Amino acid sequence: EDKVVQSPLSLVVHEGDTVTLNCSYEVTNFRSLLWYKQEKKAPTFLFMLTSSGIEKKSGRLSSILDKKELSSILNITATQTGDSAIYLCAVRSDYKLSFGAGTTVTVRA
Amino acid sequence: DTGVSQDPRHKITKRGQNVTFRCDPISEHNRLYWYRQTLGQGPEFLTYFQNEAQLEKSRLLSDRFSAERPKGSFSTLEIQRTEQGDSAMYLCASSPPTAGTGSYEQYFGPGTRLTVT
Repeated sequence: EDKVVQSPLSLVVHEGDTVTLNCSYEVTNFRSLLWYKQEKKAPTFLFMLTSSGIEKKSGRLSSILDKKELSSILNITATQTGDSAIYLCAVRSDYKLSFGAGTTVTVRA
Repeated sequence: DTGVSQDPRHKITKRGQNVTFRCDPISEHNRLYWYRQTLGQGPEFLTYFQNEAQLEKSRLLSDRFSAERPKGSFSTLEIQRTEQGDSAMYLCASSPPTAGTGSYEQYFGPGTRLTVT
């Protein structure tokens, strides 16, 4: 059974802080790791990572995959209240995605 | 908007009734997935279609659940004899065709929230 574990489960930060979210996985046939943002609706795609050590960036968000450690991190710099959401990590093996339980990020003004 | 659409967005039903949900994927996406999400959890995979063929089904998909994609475009998910434990958000996702099993992202629809009373 594929397993994806995210940490921490939740965190509260103030605007301007930097947050680092962790994702570790155990899957039988790794294809890619994806990060999604969920705000009381369907998950919105952020990043897809397939190769170790190559950072993907989009504005204040960045992510990197470590296939040796079977993990990934998602960084958010200069956080804003609009970053408050659940961040989901998912790993694709064959066709399906296996999701972690998510990290709830609350950014206070 | 050319994203994944789902209908209805909300459904309240009594235990024992049958319900059917519809998903329209992004046009030209040949892969379609159904997931179920309960409070505090990430989505759980239910089933996968490539064109009209159902290629994978989760053990979560009991015999009360059936999914179809008859023409390789929209899909329906039916739950028969609903139980309170079926209350959840049902999400549909789609992804474009790729060569082999290459990497591709899945785009999610807004979901159908089912409440079984």
